[in-house]
Amino acid sequence: GNSVTQMEGPVTLSEEAFLTINCTYTATGYPSLFWYVQYPGEGLQLLLKATKADDKGSNKGFEATYRKETTSFHLEKGSVQVSDSAVYFCALKGYGNKLVFGAGTILRVKS
Amino acid sequence: EAGVAQSPRYKIIEKRQSVAFWCNPISGHATLYWYQQILGQGPKLLIQFQNNGVVDDSQLPKDRFSAERLKGVDSTLKIQPAKLEDSAVYLCASSPVRTSGRGRNEQFFGPGTRLTVL
Repeated sequence: GNSVTQMEGPVTLSEEAFLTINCTYTATGYPSLFWYVQYPGEGLQLLLKATKADDKGSNKGFEATYRKETTSFHLEKGSVQVSDSAVYFCALKGYGNKLVFGAGTILRVKS
Repeated sequence: EAGVAQSPRYKIIEKRQSVAFWCNPISGHATLYWYQQILGQGPKLLIQFQNNGVVDDSQLPKDRFSAERLKGVDSTLKIQPAKLEDSAVYLCASSPVRTSGRGRNEQFFGPGTRLTVL
């Protein structure tokens, strides 16, 4: 079945550092890929998405590229802020609009 | 546009008690989802409705969990009786279109209900 594996956290960075959170997937067919963010006390919010190979999703300075050859969708940001502290979930969606999530990665940014 | 509403936000019960959660999706959204998010894990789909019909309940523990979506709008998720391992955040989400085909449409999530079973 479909599955998502993302790097374990927590990831602790200083403000303005470069961020990478790794995500790889296993899926049949051609899934859509997503990054969701969950801020403390809030629900999941869609951060960015990509629907086909080589697409790049981007939002709020974050970006991720759909790499079919390596089955990866790594999240990157050039300069993190304290306000980026949250839990980040990689997810895929195949047939039937069913989302499958990774375990989540906690990001802590220190000033 | 109002988002997905859920209540209560927090619930503490003892094992073997019953509990119910309520979800009001975004107006006009045909598809509604209930997810269970155990601490340290990603959300896991419990049940998916298309209007008031069940599309997928393969991961719903049917001996204790039930859900309904009357009139294709609001939904309730019930646990009876609760076990310690049911402690989790229960997320409701909705999306605007049918589930046939690849279904690339976005799911919008509510704030969740945090359940603690003692």
